[in-house]
Amino acid sequence: KNQVEQSPQSLIILEGKNCTLQCNYTVSPFSNLRWYKQDTGRGPVSLTIMTFSENTKSNGRYTATLDADTKQSSLHITASQLSDSASYICVVSGGSQGNLIFGKGTKLSVKP
Amino acid sequence: DSGVTQTPKHLITATGQRVTLRCSPRSGDLSVYWYQQSLDQGLQFLIQYYNGEERAKGNILERFSAQQFPDLHSELNLSSLELGDSALYFCASSALAGGPVGTDTQYFGPGTRLTVL
Repeated sequence: KNQVEQSPQSLIILEGKNCTLQCNYTVSPFSNLRWYKQDTGRGPVSLTIMTFSENTKSNGRYTATLDADTKQSSLHITASQLSDSASYICVVSGGSQGNLIFGKGTKLSVKP
Repeated sequence: DSGVTQTPKHLITATGQRVTLRCSPRSGDLSVYWYQQSLDQGLQFLIQYYNGEERAKGNILERFSAQQFPDLHSELNLSSLELGDSALYFCASSALAGGPVGTDTQYFGPGTRLTVL
């Protein structure tokens, strides 16, 4: 079954610290993997999009990695800011129907 | 502000009713995607239109339908509403036809919150 699992479910860190969010998937065949940031009650905002051949992609303080062999991705946030408080959603596209499979997200809280 | 607009922001209706949600994509974008976000199921892809034609279908129920008009705005029609249809409905747009397996960036609107009583 095509699934996307994210961990941890929630995370609290202090402002200025780094953190890493995990995404494991079982989607096959794989097309691409996206990370989104979603503030409460608002639409998701695209952070990165990676295809099979890409190992790392950065967007400012956000760096995503992809290991297609182990079917794992991570999102690393450097020097966190209060505005990073949000849910981070991993989305994998692929499967026999060419669908989008969403993870349940990691809720990040950055405290001063 | 993503440039994608959705109306209305909130909608409260009763079971069995029909509603229409509207989306205007970013200027120049030809693709429109519809998503549903509920507390128990998270985000789900419903359907994509590209330049007026249905391009890809996700977990869209038969009671739901969508269309994209010549001016590229899109409408999502939800009928025979059930309590479980209460959710946030997002529209996203992108420049290309990529679809679920494409790599073009999707820009999400602010969403329409639907409450079915």
